[in-house]
Amino acid sequence: AQSVTQLGSHVSVSEGALVLLRCNYSSSVPPYLFWYVQYPNQGLQLLLKYTSAATLVKGINGFEAEFKKSETSFHLTKPSAHMSDAAEYFCAVSDRRGKLQFGAGTQVVVTP
Amino acid sequence: GAGVSQTPSNKVTEKGKYVELRCDPISGHTALYWYRQSLGQGPEFLIYFQGTGAADDSGLPNDRFFAVRPEGSVSTLKIQRTERGDSAVYLCASSLIPSGGGARGQETQYFGPGTRLLVL
Repeated sequence: AQSVTQLGSHVSVSEGALVLLRCNYSSSVPPYLFWYVQYPNQGLQLLLKYTSAATLVKGINGFEAEFKKSETSFHLTKPSAHMSDAAEYFCAVSDRRGKLQFGAGTQVVVTP
Repeated sequence: GAGVSQTPSNKVTEKGKYVELRCDPISGHTALYWYRQSLGQGPEFLIYFQGTGAADDSGLPNDRFFAVRPEGSVSTLKIQRTERGDSAVYLCASSLIPSGGGARGQETQYFGPGTRLLVL
């Protein structure tokens, strides 16, 4: 069985500051890992994914994430927050069959 | 190009009624997924189609829920005898099937905007 834990349901960050969203996974097989972003009243949009190639994955809008097998983590970062980054972020794990297991989400608020 | 579309965007119904939710996947995407997102939670898997057949329906909560994809494109999620607990956003996603025997799990799932269902 696979699962994802996102630490912190709400994160507040100042504009220009580092964004760090934490995700830990549990999987009995090598996982595929994803970060999705959800803006209000919109569908989920893929930020980036890890599929067993490079452990440091770069995504859209300046986000990146690093797969650390020893820590079973896939934390999402962005060096400098922008007001447009305010949204809900979901970490997800998938097995070979494609069934996504999502975390509970982290709501990001960006303050001026 | 067109993304995944879902209709209606909002649906209000009364307890005990029947509802149908429609999903139009991206053209050429063989795989189609339904998820349900309750307030304050992440999406939860309901059912997966590969082509016309339901390859995995392990996430359907009970036999009031049923989904079809008769021609391998559009899918309809059907809920009978709706209950207040069915209120949620129902999300549809589609993806390609990797060629050469690659794992489906690595393919990106593209999500629609969802149907917000409210059962009164």
